[in-house]
Amino acid sequence: GAVVSQHPSRVICKSGTSVKIECRSLDFQATTMFWYRQFPKQSLMLMATSNEGSKATYEQGVEKDKFLINHASLTLSTLTVTSAHPEDSSFYICSARDRGPGNGDTQYFGPGTRLTVL
Amino acid sequence: DAKTTQPPSMDCAEGRAANLPCNHSTISGNEYVYWYRQIHSQGPQYIIHGLKNNETNEMASLIITEDRKSSTLILPHATLRDTAVYYCIGKAAGNKLTFGGGTRVLVKP
Repeated sequence: GAVVSQHPSRVICKSGTSVKIECRSLDFQATTMFWYRQFPKQSLMLMATSNEGSKATYEQGVEKDKFLINHASLTLSTLTVTSAHPEDSSFYICSARDRGPGNGDTQYFGPGTRLTVL
Repeated sequence: DAKTTQPPSMDCAEGRAANLPCNHSTISGNEYVYWYRQIHSQGPQYIIHGLKNNETNEMASLIITEDRKSSTLILPHATLRDTAVYYCIGKAAGNKLTFGGGTRVLVKP
């Protein structure tokens, strides 16, 4: 099956610093990737849709200047949490849409990145 | 996308079939039924999807009623590693995946 990786898997940073998370589709090209956030005991919430070669589309209530998304290639999207604060501590998960033959419109998810802001 | 309703939790016995129900009475003709699961502290894992016909792969079977208002995911021989939250999602091609509460499945020895 299609594989999506994320790096780092876990990061701890100080309040006020920026953190970059990478999402890669390893065996397929993804013109569209998605970024989700999940707080403890809650479901996944979509933050933004990352489109290769164009600006990301953010969900209502998500600050685009705080969560910078770059999708510079067909296999890589990055999420940068700028000026991180403790309330940004969460589990960040990306997914990539595989539109290859026989895969329909299926999204495959990365393993997630646990961000802790001190 | 279609609103789906799933029981919040269910237990099943190791080695037995696990039948996970999902109601999607408002699903439209172009919306697929997707199933994902999330094991604790991991990203969701794709299981299977279907439109009208029943589907089977190496992980599970998906049975969709003829009127498409409900479906059942079947794990044929549940193992302890199948303990997870299972999400049923109705989605048209090109649209976003929206996760609800899912069903928390506990496989017991």
